[in-house]
Amino acid sequence: EIVMTQSPATLSVSPGERATLSCRASQSVRSNLAWYQQKPGQAPRLLIYGASTRATGIPARFSGSGSGTEFTLTISSLQSEDFAVYYCQQYNNWPLTFGGGTKVEIK
Amino acid sequence: EVQLVESGGGLIQPGGSLRLSCAASGFTVSSDYMTWVRQAPGKGLEWVSAVHRNGDTFYADSVKGRFTISRDNSNNTLYLQMNGLRGGDTAVYYCARKAGSGWLFDYWGQGTLVTVSS
Repeated sequence: EIVMTQSPATLSVSPGERATLSCRASQSVRSNLAWYQQKPGQAPRLLIYGASTRATGIPARFSGSGSGTEFTLTISSLQSEDFAVYYCQQYNNWPLTFGGGTKVEIK
Repeated sequence: EVQLVESGGGLIQPGGSLRLSCAASGFTVSSDYMTWVRQAPGKGLEWVSAVHRNGDTFYADSVKGRFTISRDNSNNTLYLQMNGLRGGDTAVYYCARKAGSGWLFDYWGQGTLVTVSS
């Protein structure tokens, strides 16, 4: 099983600032990596797939990068609606696995 | 418009069984790829099971042999039959549809809570 490790667990950021979230895979997942956003009481929302492609309707301030075992989600200028928990997910191998999440909170 | 609506959750004693349903609209479940993902209270996401459009099924080791994923073409619904329930199965269960490329998920239901407790 591929273990996905996200860091940091919590990120405190001021509105308008940049946020950088990391996701590491225990073995290569090539570019088969997705990012999701989840707000309290809501289902996850797909943000990024293929490590760097924004899903439909996702604002340009969200960007993804990386391949192999190291991935990054960057939110260029945090808006109030971006404070949430973010998960990475690998879909290169079965079983599908998610990272433990990074909570982005208001500083 | 694609919609997924889960139902069937509730309080169940350890060792009991429960069947979750996921009613789909806006697309055909039998022609698509579907999954169940769960989230224990205050915890992260855990993939549970998936079904390929060709009928192949996949399970997490933690539920293999206890849970069964299936589809009903007549009412366009996805199911998760859960037997031998344990406290560790307590979670919100989401159904989701696979997006175009790879086993990632673009449409999700609102979730249904399963609580396993005596």
